Amino acid sequence: GNSVTQMEGPVTLSEEAFLTINCTYTATGYPSLFWYVQYPGEGLQLLLKATKADDKGSNKGFEATYRKETTSFHLEKGSVQVSDSAVYFCALKGNAGNMLTFGGGTRLMVKP
Amino acid sequence: DARVTQTPRHKVTEMGQEVTMRCQPILGHNTVFWYRQTMMQGLELLAYFRNRAPLDDSGMPKDRFSAEMPDATLATLKIQPSEPRDSAVYFCASGTGATNEKLFFGSGTQLSVL
Repeated sequence: GNSVTQMEGPVTLSEEAFLTINCTYTATGYPSLFWYVQYPGEGLQLLLKATKADDKGSNKGFEATYRKETTSFHLEKGSVQVSDSAVYFCALKGNAGNMLTFGGGTRLMVKP
Repeated sequence: DARVTQTPRHKVTEMGQEVTMRCQPILGHNTVFWYRQTMMQGLELLAYFRNRAPLDDSGMPKDRFSAEMPDATLATLKIQPSEPRDSAVYFCASGTGATNEKLFFGSGTQLSVL
């Protein structure tokens, strides 16, 4: 079956530091890949997505590249802000169905 | 902006009581999902509906949980009887069903069973 593995948190960074949150997946075929973000007290919201190999999703300074050869979709940001503090979820949606499979989530804490 | 609406936002109840959580998906969306979030288990898929028909509820404890869509504008998740281990945040999400389409999540119902 499909599965997503994320690095465990929390990840604690100072403002303006470089961020990487690793995500690898297992799936048959060519899944679509997503990063969702959950701010405190809120539901998940889509941050970015990529639907085929070598696609790069980007939004709000965050980027992730769909790497089929390494089955990875790592999230990066060049300079984090305190307002980026949240929980980040990597997810995939396979071809065979419409269900999203989520990773365990990675909490990011950015200190001023 | 269109959004998924969940009620109530918070619910505190005693063990053994019935709990009903409601979700109004975005108009026009034909897929609805119920997820449960806990610190220990993360996000777990409980149930999945397409065009109001349940397609997958394998993640749901059948003896006490039930999920329904009485109409296209309402999805319900019931727990009867509730237990302390059901304490969690329950999220509803809706989408259009396309493989590469995103899901829209509600703000969740935070349930505490004492």
